[in-house]
Amino acid sequence: AQKVTQAQTEISVVEKEDVTLDCVYETRDTTYYLFWYKQPPSGELVFLIRRNSFDEQNEISGRYSWNFQKSTSSFNFTITASQVVDSAVYFCALFFGNEKLTFGTGTRLTIIP
Amino acid sequence: DAGVTQSPTHLIKTRGQQVTLRCSPKSGHDTVSWYQQALGQGPQFIFQYYEEEERQRGNFPDRFSGHQFPNYSSELNVNALLLGDSALYLCASSILRRVTEAFFGQGTRLTVV
Repeated sequence: AQKVTQAQTEISVVEKEDVTLDCVYETRDTTYYLFWYKQPPSGELVFLIRRNSFDEQNEISGRYSWNFQKSTSSFNFTITASQVVDSAVYFCALFFGNEKLTFGTGTRLTIIP
Repeated sequence: DAGVTQSPTHLIKTRGQQVTLRCSPKSGHDTVSWYQQALGQGPQFIFQYYEEEERQRGNFPDRFSGHQFPNYSSELNVNALLLGDSALYLCASSILRRVTEAFFGQGTRLTVV
């Protein structure tokens, strides 16, 4: 069965602190994609990052970075020097051969000014 | 270039009624997927349309049906509304062979009273 677990329900940090959002996934497929989406109060899901199962190289994109480890089935997401505008609900999602996204339950991130 | 647009943005219906939600995909996209997001949960896949046909379906009852028009726009219909159908309904559009590059609309928030 395919499953995405985001154990952190809510996180609050003070502005400018770094914050890491955890994601653990389960799948039997060898080919899959992992995503992070941001959902502000307006409701739209905003695409942040995507990684395929064959590329474990971790990268940094601006203030965002991610740590993909197949050995532990984890795909963690870090925001560096957090800002108030980062406050939102963040979803980790898994995509595989049946062409649908399976989402976790989300982590509500609050950045305190 | 307009992104994915959904209408209406908010809707209140009475239990037992029927509702139709609409989605216009991003220009150049031919595939539309619908997701239901209950309060405090991650989005759940309802179904996907391509070439006016339902390609695949999630674990939702037959009360949930859809349609895709020749211009690729789509409708989601829910019959015999239940209180539990209250949710944010998200539409995602993509090109069939590039479903990993889906764009989401802002959603329709349905409240059933």
